Amino acid sequence: QQQVKQSPQSLIVQKGGISIINCAYENTAFDYFPWYQQFPGKGPALLIAIRPDVSEKKEGRFTISFNKSAKQFSLHIMDSQPGDSATYFCAAVSYKYIFGTGTRLKVLA
Amino acid sequence: DTAVSQTPKYLVTQMGNDKSIKCEQNLGHDTMYWYKQDSKKFLKIMFSYNNKELIINETVPNRFSPKSPDKAHLNLHINSLELGDSAVYFCASSQDHQQGSSGNTIYFGEGSWLTVV
Repeated sequence: QQQVKQSPQSLIVQKGGISIINCAYENTAFDYFPWYQQFPGKGPALLIAIRPDVSEKKEGRFTISFNKSAKQFSLHIMDSQPGDSATYFCAAVSYKYIFGTGTRLKVLA
Repeated sequence: DTAVSQTPKYLVTQMGNDKSIKCEQNLGHDTMYWYKQDSKKFLKIMFSYNNKELIINETVPNRFSPKSPDKAHLNLHINSLELGDSAVYFCASSQDHQQGSSGNTIYFGEGSWLTVV
């Protein structure tokens, strides 16, 4: 019940394409859903986050779509760039963070 | 000016040794964490401290002992190192431990790469 299932495990996208990463949760007590981006050799850093009272949040090329009834949320990266190549973690938060298992994204030039 | 800094960045040591990783944050945060990231990139919380007080201990072997001398520092000492301890250890901090209710952002350090041989 405390798990966050993230897919796919890895993703290869052509430059300019759309990258989509999905997460699903079970615990309805979660009330904050951030995405973290981790570049090789660095620590994860907050990319974008959403609360369950909205269905979508957009910041530049990054969009979170949130489906409360399905208990799913996803990260969309529009016009993907080689510089977006990183590992992405979703998380669901109540009294503590539960991270997804990560998605390694590679954007081909 | 590094927000969360941890040392050393790389550590190679033999099985059975004892080692420490130090962490400091200059963000004025009340809560600090240790996370372990294995070779598959899974991020797992180990400990959480709020104002020097332990609030989360996630079934970590007691060979791992965190110490928080003040709220800006959280060190990790590991006794009798085993091969399975090889991982990247991340120190992190957040404003407070009421994570969900305040939408706390967790700020991670750059990691300490521990290799046990």
